[in-house]
Amino acid sequence: EAGVTQSPTHLIKTRGQQATLRCSPISGHTSVYWYQQALGLGLQFLLWYDEGEERNRGNFPPRFSGRQFPNYSSELNVNALELEDSALYLCASSLELNTEAFFGQGTRLTVV
Amino acid sequence: AQSVTQPDIHITVSEGASLELRCNYSYGATPYLFWYVQSPGQGLQLLLKYFSGDTLVQGIKGFEAEFKRSQSSFNLRKPSVHWSDAAEYFCAVVSSNDYKLSFGAGTTVTVRA
Repeated sequence: EAGVTQSPTHLIKTRGQQATLRCSPISGHTSVYWYQQALGLGLQFLLWYDEGEERNRGNFPPRFSGRQFPNYSSELNVNALELEDSALYLCASSLELNTEAFFGQGTRLTVV
Repeated sequence: AQSVTQPDIHITVSEGASLELRCNYSYGATPYLFWYVQSPGQGLQLLLKYFSGDTLVQGIKGFEAEFKRSQSSFNLRKPSVHWSDAAEYFCAVVSSNDYKLSFGAGTTVTVRA
């Protein structure tokens, strides 16, 4: 069974541009989580989607947004990129609330 | 405020020695507890979890963790570390209030020969 897959693996963007990151959850999982892991800042919760709805949001500006599609895949959009957005973005999925989350390998976003 | 604390930023252990990583949480009710491991540049792998029941939990790769309600702790242990255990370890908590999975700051483990 395939795990959580994220694309692209690496992404290089210029400041001010937009970035789109994609995540495919494990088959059957309805919840998708997004985290930002910047150097020295640990894992910061970004967004949680379940059954197509945004259920919770971390302390990030509105230029961080996303959505979940009917097939439960998800994308994270970051508008007006800033240098500080450079980080590893991790996606995770879970079968239902309060069960373990399984993580993808991440997308390394570099803003230059 | 709800929080997850990993007091040790970096631990160095000799191969074959025992390892204990500390995790404390501050939540109103007992949350669901997890330990994850992350190798450099990789995603996170679940080592073990605690939802309820037996307070000593066995995980993969020879790790175990003990939930102590009185101390609000969920410490991770391994009796004998291998060089391949060098990685970053994260304690994580799911709150029953908002179901958000929150992580501690992580502990980097270095294994010396």
